[in-house]
Amino acid sequence: AQSVTQPDIHITVSEGASLELRCNYSYGATPYLFWYVQSPGQGLQLLLKYFSGDTLVQGIKGFEAEFKRSQSSFNLRKPSVHWSDAAEYFCAVGATNDYKLSFGAGTTVTVRA
Amino acid sequence: ETGVTQSPTHLIKTRGQQVTLRCSSQSGHNTVSWYQQALGQGPQFIFQYYREEENGRGNFPPRFSGLQFPNYSSELNVNALELDDSALYLCASSPMDRGIAGELFFGEGSRLTVL
Repeated sequence: AQSVTQPDIHITVSEGASLELRCNYSYGATPYLFWYVQSPGQGLQLLLKYFSGDTLVQGIKGFEAEFKRSQSSFNLRKPSVHWSDAAEYFCAVGATNDYKLSFGAGTTVTVRA
Repeated sequence: ETGVTQSPTHLIKTRGQQVTLRCSSQSGHNTVSWYQQALGQGPQFIFQYYREEENGRGNFPPRFSGLQFPNYSSELNVNALELDDSALYLCASSPMDRGIAGELFFGEGSRLTVL
């Protein structure tokens, strides 16, 4: 079964600074990988996804992520954060021939002025 | 295009009661999944419905059950509520056929509190 680890529970970053959120997955084959964002009291919004092909994936809101098979990682990055990026971020993995996504525990991002 | 809608948004129940949560899938989506998100945790897969049949189930007891209707809307039913059932219940629809976990489109959730 697939699983996801997000090593950082909480990250604080200054507005305008860069952001990187870590995600490590466990799955025996090529996974489907996702990053979702959840604002307080809201559902989850998809930021980006990786199914195959180019390992650097561009998403919405200026986010990107890089799939590194050798490290079983799919880290999320943004060059310059905005106060509106304060939220909880979830990495998720799906498997071929499977019907569910397995989510990490999430990373809470706080943006300070 | 109407997104995924869930009702009710908030509800409070007491232990032992039963609850029904409702979800309308996004237009054109034939697959609905339900997830439970406890406070401070990531969503956990409960089950998925495709063409009115349960397509897969996570590690949840039988008192968690569901339905999908011909218009692809869905219900989640939980019997004999326990305190640990307090959580945000998320519905997600997908245009992908069963067998492949594709992009999920989530509703805003139903916040259940069990006292």
